[in-house]
Amino acid sequence: KQEVTQIPAALSVPEGENLVLNCSFTDSAIYNLQWFRQDPGKGLTSLLLIQSSQREQTSGRLNASLDKSSGRSTLYIAASQPGDSATYLCAVRRRSTGTASKLTFGTGTRLQVTL
Amino acid sequence: KAGVTQTPRYLIKTRGQQVTLSCSPISGHRSVSWYQQTPGQGLQFLFEYFSETQRNKGNFPGRFSGRQFSNSRSEMNVSTLELGDSALYLCASSPEGTRAYEQFFGPGTRLTVL
Repeated sequence: KQEVTQIPAALSVPEGENLVLNCSFTDSAIYNLQWFRQDPGKGLTSLLLIQSSQREQTSGRLNASLDKSSGRSTLYIAASQPGDSATYLCAVRRRSTGTASKLTFGTGTRLQVTL
Repeated sequence: KAGVTQTPRYLIKTRGQQVTLSCSPISGHRSVSWYQQTPGQGLQFLFEYFSETQRNKGNFPGRFSGRQFSNSRSEMNVSTLELGDSALYLCASSPEGTRAYEQFFGPGTRLTVL
């Protein structure tokens, strides 16, 4: 059974700092990994999707890496801003012969960027 | 292009009642998945529908059911509500083709069971 863990559970950093969020998973037979952002009481916003054959993906100030063999992914946020404050979730999708199959989510990292 | 929409956004029910939640996927998306989010268990997969057929199912009791219509809209139903069913219910849709598997989420329906 796939288990996804995110460390740390909560993080507070001053504005402008670069930071790294960690995600680990127990079963390396994944199809892809997706990072999401969730604001309080809201739905999930997709940030980055990394296919199992890829090593990293970048979007603006965000960079996500994937090391499938070690079961790890990191989300790097450069020059953090107060607007980045949210909960960040990683989710893995197991290999499937069909189209979309279920995501297994991590527990999330609650990020607060202070002024 | 409009995003995933869910109705209602908020719902209050009492134990023993039943509830139906609705999800309209992004236009052109045929796969719809449902998730339950609670503070204690986090995000858990309920089920996935594709072309009106349930393709995947999570580990939830039979009180949780769903269906998908020919226009890809989906509903989920919870019967005999329990206090522990209080949660944020999220719906996600997926496109076909090269962006298949990437899921786009709606804002959720907040269900409170009293």
